[in-house]
Amino acid sequence: KNEVEQSPQNLTAQEGEFITINCSYSVGISALHWLQQHPGGGIVSLFMLSSGKKKHGRLIATINIQEKHSSLHITASHPRDSAVYICAVSIPGGGADGLTFGKGTHLIIQP
Amino acid sequence: DTGVSQDPRHKITKRGQNVTFRCDPISEHNRLYWYRQTLGQGPEFLTYFQNEAQLEKSRLLSDRFSAERPKGSFSTLEIQRTEQGDSAMYLCASRPGTSGGNLAKNIQYFGAGTRLSVL
Repeated sequence: KNEVEQSPQNLTAQEGEFITINCSYSVGISALHWLQQHPGGGIVSLFMLSSGKKKHGRLIATINIQEKHSSLHITASHPRDSAVYICAVSIPGGGADGLTFGKGTHLIIQP
Repeated sequence: DTGVSQDPRHKITKRGQNVTFRCDPISEHNRLYWYRQTLGQGPEFLTYFQNEAQLEKSRLLSDRFSAERPKGSFSTLEIQRTEQGDSAMYLCASRPGTSGGNLAKNIQYFGAGTRLSVL
């Protein structure tokens, strides 16, 4: 069974701080997704990556396939970044076509 | 709005009642997924469709749950004889059917979810 572990579970920081959220998984994957979920439930896909690094605005996602680890970074954090950030993986040829999710990291950015 | 839409957004029901949720995927997305998310947890896969065919069901999907996608467009998820443990957010997502090596087509687009409360 592929476990997706995220850390920290909860993170409170001050506006402007550099944020790092970590994700580790236990088996080979075809892709890793970072998702954002705001109160109320809606989920938005931030990144999908299978190698290297991607950047979008103040968000940066990296993945190390050998170490089975990914990080999501937020630079110059802002209160509007407050949300739950979820890591999810796609498993090639796995039993379920759907994603396997971590439990999420609840981020609060205080002004 | 051409995103994934779910209806209703909230449903409150009494234990033992049947409920049905609807999901309208992004048009031309062949694959449609249902997930369940309980408080403080990440979503869990329930089932998915390729067009109208239901290709996989999680062991989480007990016989009280049934999902359909009769014309390969919208989908419904029905829960019969609801139990308090069914209280959760039910999320729907869609994506194109095959990636053809284009990883961008593996991105799933999520709806806002239906929050079910069973009293």
